[in-house]
Amino acid sequence: AQSVTQPDIHITVSEGASLELRCNYSYGATPYLFWYVQSPGQGLQLLLKYFSGDTLVQGIKGFEAEFKRSQSSFNLRKPSVHWSDAAEYFCAVGITNTGNQFYFGTGTSLTVIP
Amino acid sequence: EAGVTQFPSHSVIEKGQTVTLRCDPISGHDNLYWYRRVMGKEIKFLLHFVKESKQDESGMPNNRFLAERTGGTYSTLKVQPAELEDSGVYFCASSLGDTQYFGPGTRLTVL
Repeated sequence: AQSVTQPDIHITVSEGASLELRCNYSYGATPYLFWYVQSPGQGLQLLLKYFSGDTLVQGIKGFEAEFKRSQSSFNLRKPSVHWSDAAEYFCAVGITNTGNQFYFGTGTSLTVIP
Repeated sequence: EAGVTQFPSHSVIEKGQTVTLRCDPISGHDNLYWYRRVMGKEIKFLLHFVKESKQDESGMPNNRFLAERTGGTYSTLKVQPAELEDSGVYFCASSLGDTQYFGPGTRLTVL
């Protein structure tokens, strides 16, 4: 069965520091991979996605993620965190590219301290 | 272009009552999804519409949940009668293809 693991429930970083949020998935083939962010009172906003090709993908707000097949991982990174990045981040796996259901991790809550 | 909207944003009801959640997808999106997040858990798939047809409802918890999408536009999710374990945030998403766009969610509290 498909599953997504985000091992860090909560992370605190200082503003300006680098960030890495971990995501591991379990699926028999290469899935379609997504990162979403939810700010308070907002919906889930797509940060970036990976379907194929270059394993390092760039997203909005200065985020990037790297797909590592050997580790079944899709970690999200940002070189310098801004206070506005405080939010909850969700990794998701899509089984096809035709709009099928997504499987989500439990989310990682990010706190940014001055 | 308007995003996915959901109504209400919050709902507090008592056990045994009925609640209806509404989702308006992005105009022109044939695919509409419902998901639910119970506190502290992952966001879980409930069902998927393609236009007005239910494509996949494997995630619906039980027959107290009824989803409809009349005319292939907006969708409603009714819970009748509500139980305590139905509390959570209900998300709606829509898509044309591979990327799903999510609404802000409806927070349902069953007392």
